[in-house]
Amino acid sequence: DQQVKQNSPSLSVQEGRISILNCDYTNSMFDYFLWYKKYPAEGPTFLISISSIKDKNEDGRFTVFLNKSAKHLSLHIVPSQPGDSAVYFCAASALETSGSRLTFGEGTQLTVNP
Amino acid sequence: DAGVTQSPTHLIKTRGQHVTLRCSPISGHKSVSWYQQVLGQGPQFIFQYYEKEERGRGNFPDRFSARQFPNYSSELNVNALLLGDSALYLCASSFGGGYLYGYTFGSGTRLTVV
Repeated sequence: DQQVKQNSPSLSVQEGRISILNCDYTNSMFDYFLWYKKYPAEGPTFLISISSIKDKNEDGRFTVFLNKSAKHLSLHIVPSQPGDSAVYFCAASALETSGSRLTFGEGTQLTVNP
Repeated sequence: DAGVTQSPTHLIKTRGQHVTLRCSPISGHKSVSWYQQVLGQGPQFIFQYYEKEERGRGNFPDRFSARQFPNYSSELNVNALLLGDSALYLCASSFGGGYLYGYTFGSGTRLTVV
């Protein structure tokens, strides 16, 4: 049962434009959501998180939007840079039922073209 | 300041053998989690330890075990290796719960079972 899904395996955008990465979830008990970036041969790097009591969180070029009714979140990167090219993972935790373990999506490969 | 360090970085084992993977968390971090990432998928939760006690276990067989030492370093042990255990094993640490501020991941141990 895939509780966190990233339906787009890949995304390609031009440098300077907006990158939008999407994530859907099924478990209504999820209360924290995180985005990680992963380069080859490295571990995932934490980017940004959002609590379920919020609908938006912003950190520099990165903004995460949460739509609880649709069980959907998205990561916006503006402006996109070639160094942003990596695999992006959406992750979620349900503190009350599962503690702080993270459930990850399958990842989206973002390519930013110069 | 050193990040999360994992050893070894690569390992090749034969089916039926035993393997021990090691992780040293960031200084001051008391929580260590282990994840398995199979090629093309997101990381999957195996174990979490906090203050040397198991705080969570994922859906993995009893062949998988772990422990955390007084210095907060951790070992992941896998017995009776199967071909399907071939994966990248990631260790992540956090000061407390990593659900909001993110876990810091190591670069992983690439295990190949032949």
